Amino acid sequence: AQSVAQPEDQVKVAEGNPLTVKCTYSVSGNPYLFWYVQYPNRGLQFLLKYITGDNLVKGSYGFEAEFNKSQTSFHLKKPSALVSDSALYFCAVRAVYNTDKLIFGTGTRLQVFP
Amino acid sequence: GAVVSQHPSRVICKSGTSVKIECRSLDFQATTMFWYRQFPKQSLMLMATSNEGSKATYEQGVEKDKFLINHASLTLSTLTVTSAHPEDSSFYICSARTGQSEQYFGPGTRLTVT
Repeated sequence: AQSVAQPEDQVKVAEGNPLTVKCTYSVSGNPYLFWYVQYPNRGLQFLLKYITGDNLVKGSYGFEAEFNKSQTSFHLKKPSALVSDSALYFCAVRAVYNTDKLIFGTGTRLQVFP
Repeated sequence: GAVVSQHPSRVICKSGTSVKIECRSLDFQATTMFWYRQFPKQSLMLMATSNEGSKATYEQGVEKDKFLINHASLTLSTLTVTSAHPEDSSFYICSARTGQSEQYFGPGTRLTVT
């Protein structure tokens, strides 16, 4: 079965420090992986995706993610966190059996403190 | 580009009544629209997928007679929650795409059933 795991419910980091939000996946075949961010009472905003090619994917707002096939991971990273990055982050994988369907992780709440 | 709107942003209705939520793609034609439900502190769960002019495809466990989805045009899909009950209170999010593009998400609708 296709699945995505975000092992951390919450990540706290000081402003200016690097941040990592973890995501691992389980999918047969080549995965299509996504990161979205959600601010309070808002819909999801697309950050970045991996389909093929370079393992390091650069996205919006200075975020990047590294695809690691051997570890089945797709961790979200940013070199220097901002307080405004505080939000809920979702990792998602596109289901192989149904290319319409996105399977979301449970989300990780990122808190960046001054 | 790729803006999706939802209306209303918040709605309160009495138990037993029906409520309609609209999802519009403002600057593109959405061949496919998706409806998600998000419970507090939980991930997004896909409820149904609708293609313009076709009947919606519902996920397992979602009552199609209770959650009526109409995708009558390439820019509008509606979700009607019929005979709403307090347990239907949730955050409903739509997304839209054209062809095989990414899903673009609306800002969500907070439904409260009293």
